[in-house]
Amino acid sequence: AQTVTQSQPEMSVQEAETVTLSCTYDTSESDYYLFWYKQPPSRQMILVIRQEAYKQQNATENRFSVNFQKAAKSFSLKISDSQLGDAAMYFCAYRSAGSGYALNFGKGTSLLVTP
Amino acid sequence: GAGVSQSPSNKVTEKGKDVELRCDPISGHTALYWYRQSLGQGLEFLIYFQGNSAPDKSGLPSDRFSAERTGGSVSTLTIQRTQQEDSAVYLCASSLGRLGYTFGSGTRLTVV
Repeated sequence: AQTVTQSQPEMSVQEAETVTLSCTYDTSESDYYLFWYKQPPSRQMILVIRQEAYKQQNATENRFSVNFQKAAKSFSLKISDSQLGDAAMYFCAYRSAGSGYALNFGKGTSLLVTP
Repeated sequence: GAGVSQSPSNKVTEKGKDVELRCDPISGHTALYWYRQSLGQGLEFLIYFQGNSAPDKSGLPSDRFSAERTGGSVSTLTIQRTQQEDSAVYLCASSLGRLGYTFGSGTRLTVV
């Protein structure tokens, strides 16, 4: 089974600064998808960004971007110009390509944003 | 509906009682997933429904856990003879394709 590791239980960033959350994964597959989800206190998991493994270009969504290193099996999330509303738990997730596969999640990183 | 709806939002039950958790997915979404999130942990896959296919039950932790999905829509997760270690947030998600997961806000189950 694929495992996802988030080595930073907690991170802190000042408003307007940049922070990077780390994620590594273990797989023998060549085709898969990677995701970052945000979970605020409301508990609902919100998709932040996703990356298809066959795409070499790193995904970007406004202030959120990833550094996808396929050979190193690394998938970090960079949040630029951090805002107070970015404070939440962030989960990295892996999904095999093809149908019928669930997401494998890391244990999460709690992000604190200070004024 | 516009989103994935889960009920109840919170549930407190006595050890040994049975509980039912409900998930109402987005209309038209063929896939439905149940996950469990224990305190301070990531999400643990429980069960997956896809259309009319047999569900993937590989994540269910014990035979006290079961789930059904009626008419390809609403799903119910049942936990029999609840134990304290069952206390967690149970999250449901639905999707149409491979990438478009939408999660509900979950049910927080507390077993006392």
